[in-house]
Amino acid sequence: EVVMTQSPATLSVSPGERVTLSCRASQSVRSKLAWYQQKPGQAPRLLIYGASTRATGIPARFSGSGSGTEFTLTISSLQSEDFAVYYCQQYNHWKTFGQGTKLEIK
Amino acid sequence: EVLLVESGGGLVQPGGSLRLSCVASGFTFSSRWMSWVRQPPGKGLEWVANIKQDGSEDYYVDSVKGRFTISRDNAKNALYLQMNSLRAEDTAVYYCARDSDGYDYWGQGTLVTVSS
Repeated sequence: EVVMTQSPATLSVSPGERVTLSCRASQSVRSKLAWYQQKPGQAPRLLIYGASTRATGIPARFSGSGSGTEFTLTISSLQSEDFAVYYCQQYNHWKTFGQGTKLEIK
Repeated sequence: EVLLVESGGGLVQPGGSLRLSCVASGFTFSSRWMSWVRQPPGKGLEWVANIKQDGSEDYYVDSVKGRFTISRDNAKNALYLQMNSLRAEDTAVYYCARDSDGYDYWGQGTLVTVSS
């Protein structure tokens, strides 16, 4: 099983700040990496796939990078609606998720 | 507009059974792999099972193998998850999701609670 590890577990940030979330795979997943945003009581929403491709309708302030085992999601200027939990997921070998990073308002 | 609508969740005793359904619309259901993903209360996401377009292949996470069965009816645009021998640790919101690079569409989820 490919284990996905996200860091940090919680991040306290202020609106307008730039933030970078990390995701590490226990073995190479090539570029088969997706990022999701989940707000309380809602289903996850796909943000990024293929490690760096924004999904339909996702604002340009969201960007993804990385390949192999190290990946990052960057939000260039946090908006109030961006405070949520973010999950990475690999889909190179079956599909496994990271444990999530919660973005909270500082 | 792509829509996925789950139903069938509820409270069930340990060892019991439940069948979840997901009705799809807004896309050609028969041309897509489909998955079930679950999320225990307050916890993260876990892929449960997925099924090929024509139902000829299906795959499961180890913890549900032999207990859960995924199936589909392309004539009805429907995805199912038959859950038997349910355990407390199966308590979760169950989502159906369309397979893509990742999951590009999700239903709203249906809550399954396994408790006596």
